[in-house]
Amino acid sequence: DSGVTQTPKHLITATGQRVTLRCSPRSGDLSVYWYQQSLDQGLQFLIQYYNGEERAKGNILERFSAQQFPDLHSELNLSSLELGDSALYFCASSTRTNEKLFFGSGTQLSVL
Amino acid sequence: GQNIDQPTEMTATEGAIVQINCTYQTSGFNGLFWYQQHAGEAPTFLSYNVLDGLEEKGRFSSFLSRSKGYSYLLLKELQMKDSASYLCAVTKAGGSYIPTFGRGTSLIVHP
Repeated sequence: DSGVTQTPKHLITATGQRVTLRCSPRSGDLSVYWYQQSLDQGLQFLIQYYNGEERAKGNILERFSAQQFPDLHSELNLSSLELGDSALYFCASSTRTNEKLFFGSGTQLSVL
Repeated sequence: GQNIDQPTEMTATEGAIVQINCTYQTSGFNGLFWYQQHAGEAPTFLSYNVLDGLEEKGRFSSFLSRSKGYSYLLLKELQMKDSASYLCAVTKAGGSYIPTFGRGTSLIVHP
């Protein structure tokens, strides 16, 4: 158990819908990362937050947004969903940047 | 950008030794991580190399050559449970040190 909690584990929804994925980092970790993993693209970095502030942005679509709350949990919002958004979404946390990441168990999103 | 190459798939026999290579091209290279990921599960940290040389940790070792843009993960005394995907990830200095992952090498260990 990495100590990173992600909910829900599975999500099935339809095209055009909006979903929210939730992540609680390990106790004491200030940095939260979101990654998307699909079969053809591998693990792709989406966005990082550090102590409530956006720190880095990767290949995140404009339809996607995220935030980190004062209690350090984070949410990833995916809107206007398309079939191609179906993937495994991982949250990870670290104490500081440039340290190993601890990954949550992921949310499997299926867009039908 | 960063270009990270790993073999897509490898097979090996239980009890044997296998070496998984990773080559990368990136400006401002900082360090290289190896993660293990079993199917449908989260990646878990194996090793982190910043300096040239070999880091040994039990049955697993990782090597880095910064001048050659090359790393390998060495797995000894292979066990069936080592069947998994092995992900190489590179970080760049001077920024947020976000790990950029290769597509991973799927290792199949057979009896």
